[in-house]
Amino acid sequence: GQQLNQSPQSMFIQEGEDVSMNCTSSSIFNTWLWYKQDPGEGPVLLIALYKAGELTSNGRLTAQFGITRKDSFLNISASIPSDVGIYFCAGDNAGNNRKLIWGLGTSLAVNP
Amino acid sequence: ETGVTQTPRHLVMGMTNKKSLKCEQHLGHNAMYWYKQSAKKPLELMFVYNFKEQTENNSVPSRFSPECPNSSHLFLHLHTLQPEDSALYLCASSQDELADPNQETQYFGPGTRLLVL
Repeated sequence: GQQLNQSPQSMFIQEGEDVSMNCTSSSIFNTWLWYKQDPGEGPVLLIALYKAGELTSNGRLTAQFGITRKDSFLNISASIPSDVGIYFCAGDNAGNNRKLIWGLGTSLAVNP
Repeated sequence: ETGVTQTPRHLVMGMTNKKSLKCEQHLGHNAMYWYKQSAKKPLELMFVYNFKEQTENNSVPSRFSPECPNSSHLFLHLHTLQPEDSALYLCASSQDELADPNQETQYFGPGTRLLVL
């Protein structure tokens, strides 16, 4: 099935560092969503983006909906150990009857 | 607490067993979803229900049988599964898009970790 290109696949950083990850698509999306999944849990919504160019923050997290509507990035500033987990992007092109298209995830490890 | 609960959290079953997964959402949503999450693969949408009506069956084998008795509850009945069906099964819910397109965001439960022996 269709999937988004999410990069990097994994990151290992020091506590306090900033993190950046992104997703790209070959088709235009109307919605971009960023989720975080902790081990043994379901994905939890971090940020939702609904307009091209939109820049939204949630605490230390900032995400942007690319102006071309084919990409999005998520930044985490001043990382802390509890940021560890897998971050997923998901997109909705509105023509798929509630089908979200998912990336493979970015696995983040933070060294205290 | 995401407002979506799933039971059981873990399940081990043999290939001849019959079991059911349960999902309940407390968010007042009217769309519910079953996903399968396997390692190294993107989330796979299995079924979608909108106002209790199934609107999507993503070519899922008949050994998986969904049931949605009302907008708050969703079941996944399992029978004669295969080892390759071992995965994390996630339930999600969202608001109907006609009400507000921005409410399409899906909220997930914690999942059921299934192991088929």
